[in-house]
Amino acid sequence: KAGVTQTPRYLIKTRGQQVTLSCSPISGHRSVSWYQQTPGQGLQFLFEYFSETQRNKGNFPGRFSGRQFSNSRSEMNVSTLELGDSALYLCASSLVGYGETQYFGPGTRLLVL
Amino acid sequence: EDKVVQSPLSLVVHEGDTVTLNCSYEVTNFRSLLWYKQEKKAPTFLFMLTSSGIEKKSGRLSSILDKKELFSILNITATQTGDSAVYLCAALTGGGNKLTFGTGTQLKVEL
Repeated sequence: KAGVTQTPRYLIKTRGQQVTLSCSPISGHRSVSWYQQTPGQGLQFLFEYFSETQRNKGNFPGRFSGRQFSNSRSEMNVSTLELGDSALYLCASSLVGYGETQYFGPGTRLLVL
Repeated sequence: EDKVVQSPLSLVVHEGDTVTLNCSYEVTNFRSLLWYKQEKKAPTFLFMLTSSGIEKKSGRLSSILDKKELFSILNITATQTGDSAVYLCAALTGGGNKLTFGTGTQLKVEL
């Protein structure tokens, strides 16, 4: 069974631009969660999607948004990029998103210049 | 605000040593405590602990949860250089799949 895949793997943007990251969960998994990982703050929860609906949201500004499609693939979007948005963005999938193991993808490394 | 604290922040040991990593949590609507190992990229799942006092084992790794004192420990016996990684603990809270992570313990195992 293929694991969680994320595209692109690396991305360089400049301040003020916007970016869209993609996550394809493990086949059959319907819950997708997104996390931001930085050296200073560690891994922080962004949001979780299940059945195309946002079920949980972390403490991030409205510039961070996401969506989920009917095939469970998910995208997250960051608008008006700031230098502090430079981070590793990880997504994780699980079956139905109620306490089962979450499996992480390799991440997208975003650098904002 | 939910909080997960890990100690020590970093640790250097020699092959064959036994290490104990600590994780304490103060969260609302606690459901489970998870341990992950992160080498270069994606965290890989180690354990999920839901009940107090029941040890989970996988090879040289074991973990236990104390829900009264709000902490968990991860033990690694007979450490190997391949155990070098960041070990993350996370609390699963509320409905859905929200994980609150600690900052991790950086473990380095030397020959």
